[in-house]
Amino acid sequence: DIQMTQSPSSLSASVGDRVTITCQASQDITKYLNWYQQKPGKVPKVLIYDASNLETGVPSRFSGSGSGTDFTLTISSLQPEDIATYYCQQYDSVPLTFGGGTKVEIK
Amino acid sequence: QVQLVQSGPEVKRPGASMKVSCKASGYTFTGYYMHWVRQAPGQGLEWMGWINPYSGATNYTQKYQGRVTMTRDTSISTAYLELSSLRSDDTAVYYCTREVYFHHWGQGTLVTVSS
Repeated sequence: DIQMTQSPSSLSASVGDRVTITCQASQDITKYLNWYQQKPGKVPKVLIYDASNLETGVPSRFSGSGSGTDFTLTISSLQPEDIATYYCQQYDSVPLTFGGGTKVEIK
Repeated sequence: QVQLVQSGPEVKRPGASMKVSCKASGYTFTGYYMHWVRQAPGQGLEWMGWINPYSGATNYTQKYQGRVTMTRDTSISTAYLELSSLRSDDTAVYYCTREVYFHHWGQGTLVTVSS
């Protein structure tokens, strides 16, 4: 199974800060990675697919980069509505696996 | 527009079985694999497996082998997740989600296992 190591597990930042979340795969997954945002009690929402493609309707302050084993989700200017838990997920091979999540809070 | 509508919450006794449905609309049901993901309270997301609605072929994660069954009824565009021999740690929200890229998710079904 491919292990997805996500870091940090939580972070606290100020409104307007640049926030970076990383995800490392235990083996090469090329570009087959999603980033999700999940707010409490809500369904996960895709932000980024294929590692760097912005989902329709997602604000442009979100961006994804990386390939192979190392990936990054960046929020260029943190907004109050970005408070959520973020997950990466690989879909290169089954079993599909998720990172452990990053809880983002406002300082 | 694509919609996945799941069945309502369930409360089950330990040892019982659950069956959650996921009704699809807005696209050709047989054209896209359906996946099931679960999330225990306060925990992360866990993939359970997929079903190919066209052929009925399935692929389950090893953790659930022998307890999980994914089926579909193409006449009503509905996928089903069955889990047997329920334990308290099967208490979770169960989601269906469709390929490609998992843009579309059901609203989730809370299954509570409690004596």
